[in-house]
This record gives sequence, structure tokens and C-alpha cells, in this order.
Amino acid sequence: DVKVTQSSRYLVKRTGEKVFLECVQDMDHENMFWYRQDPGLGLRLIYFSYDVKMKEKGDIPEGYSVSREKKERFSLILESASTNQTSMYLCASTTGRVYEQYFGPGTRLTVT
Amino acid sequence: AQSVSQHNHHVILSEAASLELGCNYSYGGTVNLFWYVQYPGQHLQLLLKYFSGDPLVKGIKGFEAEFIKSKFSFNLRKPSVQWSDTAEYFCAVRVFSGGYNKLIFGAGTRLAVHP
Repeated sequence: DVKVTQSSRYLVKRTGEKVFLECVQDMDHENMFWYRQDPGLGLRLIYFSYDVKMKEKGDIPEGYSVSREKKERFSLILESASTNQTSMYLCASTTGRVYEQYFGPGTRLTVT
Repeated sequence: AQSVSQHNHHVILSEAASLELGCNYSYGGTVNLFWYVQYPGQHLQLLLKYFSGDPLVKGIKGFEAEFIKSKFSFNLRKPSVQWSDTAEYFCAVRVFSGGYNKLIFGAGTRLAVHP
């Protein structure tokens, strides 16, 4: 069965901390995505990657960076967490067709 | 600018009522449209998709959507909802930007179906 896993379901961090959100997929997918989901705003694309060591900015990359050292793993990094980054973070992966994204369960991050 | 608008943020229905969720998009390229659903506690998943051809597309669980090009709309419908349809529904459009395909999502509509 297809699987996208995220390292934490819930995370609480303090303002200014460096935060790592990990995503792993076991489907040998080339393409991976990070979104944040906020009420009334839907899903917004932060970063995506179409290959190992490759990354592209999405629509809201400010305050975030990513790392893809291995095909199966795509990490989202908050360099210095701020309260406005409190959100649900969703990882997704796909091969080829961008709409056939398999989503992870999400990480609910609270920054205090 | 590319965007997707969903008119209703919250919808409450009784079982057996008919459902229509509105979706309008703004995109000048070839239009590919999608509806995704997120059931409580579950992952987001694809409900149905439109690429070309018949503007009325059918998805899983009795859902359908109609693409109306002149209205830039892709509304989701179901003739008779069930309690198990309680979920959040997202409309999305595929865009080609900067050499890559991406999905632009709407804000979502939370549907609550009461028995």
C-alpha cells in the first residue's frame, strides 16, 4: 500500500527555534511537495522537488527551506520559527502526474 | 493571477439532501480541474478529475462535477448525501508555471451532514 509518513503528528516549538519536519515516501516517487494548510486559505505550496538534490520554490517559500538528499526523504526546515508559521503541514509525493499526489497525515505545528 | 475560489466555507445538510459546492478558477492555460476530499482524521485524496471531453465527470462515491468553460466553473454535486460524506472538500486547478506543473487549491468547504 502506498505510504507517505511524516515524522510527527503534533509539534510544539518556541519562537526562534530551528524546526525540522521530515517526510518519507516508500513508492519510489520522483516528485515531492510541502504544503501548509490553514483554515480559509486551503493548501498553499511551500516548496517542491522533482529529483534528488533539486528544489523549487512554491507560492509561499519565505521563512522555509528544504532538503532532499535521498529520493525517499524530503525535509522542510523552518530556519527561525515564528508564530505565524503555526499551521498544519502536509507532505505529498507523486510520480509524473502532479494531480495524483499521495498525501501524508500532516504535522500540526504550534509555535509559541 | 492563477486562483481558485470556493464560495462556501461551511455547508450543513441533512441526509438525503442534494449537494452542490461551487468552484471558480482563474487560469489562462489548458484547464485541468480536480476535487479532493479530506475525511475526518484521514489523508487528502483525489475525488475526481477533468482533463478534456465530456464536461460532466463522475468520481467515487456518487460524486460528479460539471466543467462550464464560459463560467470558469467546476461545481461538485451529489444528488443525495450521506452522513459519511462529512468532510472537507477542495477544488484545485493544475497550472504550468516556471517550467513545472503545480496544483493551486481553493480554500476548501467543510461539509457537515446530519443524520
